[in-house]
Amino acid sequence: EIVLTQSPATLSLSPGERATLSCRASQSVSSFLAWYQQKPGQAPRLLIYDASNRATGIPGRFSGSGFGTDFTLTISSLEPEDVAVYYCQHRNNWPRVTFGPGTKVDIK
Amino acid sequence: EVQLLESGGGLVQPGGSLRLSCEASGFSFSDSAMSWVRQAPGKGLEWVSGISGSGASTYYADSVKGRFTISRDNSKNTVYLQMNSLRAEDTAVFYCAKEGINRIFGSDYWGQGTLVTVSS
Repeated sequence: EIVLTQSPATLSLSPGERATLSCRASQSVSSFLAWYQQKPGQAPRLLIYDASNRATGIPGRFSGSGFGTDFTLTISSLEPEDVAVYYCQHRNNWPRVTFGPGTKVDIK
Repeated sequence: EVQLLESGGGLVQPGGSLRLSCEASGFSFSDSAMSWVRQAPGKGLEWVSGISGSGASTYYADSVKGRFTISRDNSKNTVYLQMNSLRAEDTAVFYCAKEGINRIFGSDYWGQGTLVTVSS
């Protein structure tokens, strides 16, 4: 079973700062990794698929990178509306999928 | 516009049953695999079950295998989750999600969720 770990657990930054979120898989998932944003009280929203492709309607400040076991979600310039929990999801055994524990992003 | 509308949640006693529904619109339903994902209060996301577009193939997390059954009615654009032998640890918001066409694409649309509370 592939396990995902995310770091840091919480990230507190000022508006305009760069946010770097990490997701590590216990074994290779190739590029079959997605990122989701969940704002308080809302359903998750797909941000990134196939490790680096932005989903429809996602702002350009969000980008994904990585392959194999190490992945990064970057928010180039943090906006107040980006306050959320961000989850990575591996799809290597799709349709069985697994989520990471999440990274909470706060605004200072 | 893609819409997913869950219903059927509520309060149920331990050992009881509940059937969740997710009515879809705005896309070719029978061409899309669907999933159920849950979120316990204050916790992260947990994939629960998935079903192929035709309904011929179904998949379950170990935590619900033998207790939950996923199904779909493509004539009604609806996917179901029958939950039996419910436990306190099944308390969660249950989301249905539309899947991309294969492992490359993500779960690209989500419903707003329905709350299931298992308590005596």
